[in-house]
Amino acid sequence: GEDVEQSLFLSVREGDSSVINCTYTDSSSTYLYWYKQEPGAGLQLLTYIFSNMDMKQDQRLTVLLNKKDKHLSLRIADTQTGDSAIYFCAEKWNYGGATNKLIFGTGTLLAVQP
Amino acid sequence: ETGVTQTPRHLVMGMTNKKSLKCEQHLGHNAMYWYKQSAKKPLELMFVYNFKEQTENNSVPSRFSPECPNSSHLFLHLHTLQPEDSALYLCASSQDRVYEQFFGPGTRLTVL
Repeated sequence: GEDVEQSLFLSVREGDSSVINCTYTDSSSTYLYWYKQEPGAGLQLLTYIFSNMDMKQDQRLTVLLNKKDKHLSLRIADTQTGDSAIYFCAEKWNYGGATNKLIFGTGTLLAVQP
Repeated sequence: ETGVTQTPRHLVMGMTNKKSLKCEQHLGHNAMYWYKQSAKKPLELMFVYNFKEQTENNSVPSRFSPECPNSSHLFLHLHTLQPEDSALYLCASSQDRVYEQFFGPGTRLTVL
């Protein structure tokens, strides 16, 4: 079965780095995603990583993938108050042929203290 | 309008009411999705439409009835809901089932 787990809450101070962790179960996942949800809004795709990569950097965001441990992390450098949101990890789960779906975690609420 | 829009943004209804949620995407995508987001639970995929055809129904109760008249519009018809159906209902679209999904802002539904 598919399962994606995240811790529910993370609090950091403005200017520090934030690291949000995620574990997943499907070793055949081709893509793993990080989405951001601000209050009252839908999910916004932040970044994604292909399963044959170990790391991807995009400005302040660094995604690390450990396929052996099925562990994904999102590091936000120089965290700002505007980064306060819920962050969802998702894996693309293939269940036959071209059919696949996204499996989401419960989300991690990031609170940035000024 | 750009992206994925949803109306209404907020809805309060009684258990005997009938209402509909609307989603529209302006991205030229051909796959559309309904998700349910409840507090402290993972997003639950409810329905998937690809080229207007329903390709997935994740054991959703029949009091939720989706409709996809064309690739740009998706509806969720609601009838005799229960208080536990109160949640944020998110619509998403993607180019085929392969590529990343773009989400609307959601409809916050409260069932009294």
